Amino acid sequence: DAGVIQSPRHEVTEMGQEVTLRCKPISGHNSLFWYRQTMMRGLELLIYFNNNVPIDDSGMPEDRFSAKMPNASFSTLKIQPSEPRDSAVYFCASRVAGNTIYFGEGSWLTVV
Amino acid sequence: DAKTTQPPSMDCAEGRAANLPCNHSTISGNEYVYWYRQIHSQGPQYIIHGLKNNETNEMASLIITEDRKSSTLILPHATLRDTAVYYCTLRDMRFGAGTRLTVKP
Repeated sequence: DAGVIQSPRHEVTEMGQEVTLRCKPISGHNSLFWYRQTMMRGLELLIYFNNNVPIDDSGMPEDRFSAKMPNASFSTLKIQPSEPRDSAVYFCASRVAGNTIYFGEGSWLTVV
Repeated sequence: DAKTTQPPSMDCAEGRAANLPCNHSTISGNEYVYWYRQIHSQGPQYIIHGLKNNETNEMASLIITEDRKSSTLILPHATLRDTAVYYCTLRDMRFGAGTRLTVKP
């Protein structure tokens, strides 16, 4: 079975540009998580959805970040405008409620 | 903020058991303890989880204290490939800094 699929795997963009990260959760999973990982701050939970509804977005750093889940098989994390300090690895993860979570391979973002 | 605390780093000799502790003193009665590991820059990988009984699978064993305020992940015969960052987490799936385990020859 396919795991959590993220795209793009790597992106380099200029400061001020819009960045859109995409995630396809595992089929049948009804919870989806977005994480950001940096050396300084470790693995931070940004937002999670249950049944396509955002439940906790307290980890979203600021208004430049937004996340959507229009259906059970797709989610996006958008950064507009991007800044160099947004450079990080962004992980998407999914699970069936209450069970273990499965992570994607991550999207490596560099903002120059 | 994560509700778990772990030592930042540990070393272990290859072939020996690696015992990784985690404190979760504010755990609630129905919360499971989950362990994950992250090798290099891959996505974290599930290892094991438990509620109050000790658990064992093909990867590791999990020992949870009777008061459930702490747990220990045991890798019985550590190999070089077990070098990774190990995280324990609870239901909220927030991760702390984890423990960087280095297995040495």
